[in-house]
Amino acid sequence: EIVLTQSPTTMAASPGEKVTITCRASSSVSYMHWYQQKPGASPKPWIYDTSKLASGVPNRFSGSGSGTSYSLTISSMETEDTATYYCQQWSSNSYTFGAGTKLELK
Amino acid sequence: EVQLVESGGGLVQPGRSMKLSCAASGFTFNNYDMAWVCQAPKKGLEWVATISYDGSSTYYRDSVKGRFTISRDNAKSTLYLQMDSLRSEDTATYYCARYNNLFGYWGQGVMVTVSS
Repeated sequence: EIVLTQSPTTMAASPGEKVTITCRASSSVSYMHWYQQKPGASPKPWIYDTSKLASGVPNRFSGSGSGTSYSLTISSMETEDTATYYCQQWSSNSYTFGAGTKLELK
Repeated sequence: EVQLVESGGGLVQPGRSMKLSCAASGFTFNNYDMAWVCQAPKKGLEWVATISYDGSSTYYRDSVKGRFTISRDNAKSTLYLQMDSLRSEDTATYYCARYNNLFGYWGQGVMVTVSS
């Protein structure tokens, strides 16, 4: 099973600050998906196939990466971006999620 | 509008069984693979099981193999998760999700608490 390690676990950013969340895979994967989850709500698809934004996701978000290293970037932090973000991959009929990165407002 | 509505959760004793249901609407159910994903209290997301669009293939995480069974009734647009021999570590919110290369739509989740 491929293990996904996210960093940081928790972080705080000021409005307007650039934010980068990383996800490292224990073996090479072909793509990475990202989900956003707010307290008390279901997760939402946020970035898919490494760099494509899901419907309704602001273009201040972007995704990149390859092999074992992937990242989600917010170009300019906004209040509404406070949430927990999870990376996810599929391989060999097994799906794994990262442990999540909780993003707070500073 | 895609809707996924889970039901069947609650409190259950260790070793007992519980069956979750997920009623789907707003899309052609038998065109999509479906999945269950769980989240223990204050913890992260964990994939549980996936079933192919026609029910011919099923996949499980190791910790539930032999205890949980995912199934579907395409005529009723409903997904199921039969959970047997439940353990305290199965306590979680269980989400039903539509899968098409990613978990594109999620239900609101149903809480399962395994405790004596």
